Amino acid sequence: EAGVVQSPRYKIIEKKQPVAFWCNPISGHNTLYWYRQNLGQGPELLIRYENEEAVDDSQLPKDRFSAERLKGVDSTLKIQPAELGDSAVYLCASSSPLLSRNTEAFFGQGTRLTVV
Amino acid sequence: AQSVSQHNHHVILSEAASLELGCNYSYGGTVNLFWYVQYPGQHLQLLLKYFSGDPLVKGIKGFEAEFIKSKFSFNLRKPSVQWSDTAEYFCAVNGPGNTGKLIFGQGTTLQVKP
Repeated sequence: EAGVVQSPRYKIIEKKQPVAFWCNPISGHNTLYWYRQNLGQGPELLIRYENEEAVDDSQLPKDRFSAERLKGVDSTLKIQPAELGDSAVYLCASSSPLLSRNTEAFFGQGTRLTVV
Repeated sequence: AQSVSQHNHHVILSEAASLELGCNYSYGGTVNLFWYVQYPGQHLQLLLKYFSGDPLVKGIKGFEAEFIKSKFSFNLRKPSVQWSDTAEYFCAVNGPGNTGKLIFGQGTTLQVKP
């Protein structure tokens, strides 16, 4: 079974440029998460989707970040314009449905963003 | 706001030594607790989780963790580490209730010397 697939794995951009990350969750997983992991820190939730609905985006910096999950499957996270402080690893995870005794969140390998 | 604290940022052990990584969380209500591991170059993987019941939870690769509610702790243990356990370990909490949101600690880097 394929896991959570993210692309690209690495991205280097100049500040003020736009960037987008793509995530394909595990088939059948309704819940999709985007996390950001700064160097030396644990991941922090940016946004959570239930199917195509963003049910928790309280931590998403909405002035420059946007996300979408059309048709409730793949998701894209965008930053425009990028700032130096956005350098981090962006992780996508999925679960079905929410976390429970019998389920878990599966993580992708992440996209490492470097803003120069 | 909830928070998770991992006491050790970097641990170095020799093979066969015993391991205990500390984890404390701030919320006093019902929580679900997790330990994730990230091997070099790989994605985060679930080691074990606690939802309810027996506070001593056994996970993969010989790891276990004990939930002590009175101490708000969920420490990870392994009686004898191997070189292949070299990785970064993250404690996480999901609560109150089941929001699906995981709050992670800052992680502990474990280096096992052969």
